[in-house]
Amino acid sequence: NAGVTQTPKFRILKIGQSMTLQCTQDMNHNYMYWYRQDPGMGLKLIYYSVGAGITDKGEVPNGYNVSRSTTEDFPLRLELAAPSQTSVYFCASSYTLGGGNQPQHFGDGTRLSIL
Amino acid sequence: ELKVEQNPLFLSMQEGKNYTIYCNYSTTSDRLYWYRQDPGKSLESLFVLLSNGAVKQEGRLMASLDTKARLSTLHITAAVHDLSATYFCAVDQDAGGTSYGKLTFGQGTILTVHP
Repeated sequence: NAGVTQTPKFRILKIGQSMTLQCTQDMNHNYMYWYRQDPGMGLKLIYYSVGAGITDKGEVPNGYNVSRSTTEDFPLRLELAAPSQTSVYFCASSYTLGGGNQPQHFGDGTRLSIL
Repeated sequence: ELKVEQNPLFLSMQEGKNYTIYCNYSTTSDRLYWYRQDPGKSLESLFVLLSNGAVKQEGRLMASLDTKARLSTLHITAAVHDLSATYFCAVDQDAGGTSYGKLTFGQGTILTVHP
């Protein structure tokens, strides 16, 4: 049971490049999330999804896009990378039925540097 | 806008001592989570607190929630080196009713336990 798997683990991008951070979970969780963690800070929610085909913005969505075509996968796309997007990105998932009372399970993170 | 503040942000403890980490939040919520993060690692769920007066204990850690005071505490009893980590509280942005698991995280408390 792999849980939440993120790829790649590390990446260096040049300003203006694009990339997709992959996230997949094998727990049949309906809810999935993308967070970013800047040095010395807590996590901030970028986007979330409550099921396949349904996504919504979190606190800091600018510069990012997501899609959710299957229950398992929730990729995060960066368009026109900027230095301010240098961060550690975490994907998480949880199972909820009528209420958000389950803890989120986190992947190991993607460490992204924009130079 | 929901704000979550933890204190202290840095905590250096001796083994065997007791201490408390505080988590204050600014708007009504009845769902609060505590996570642990080891350096360079992912987040691990510690406690889920879902109602006023909730108390959960696991080993040397005990968490409580006072929704009226908008305060949660994480109490450490007889600290050991293995508890050294960063501890985050996270509050559900949806107060009551249906939650989508949108969390606002505190800044984190870096705990170091010395012999």
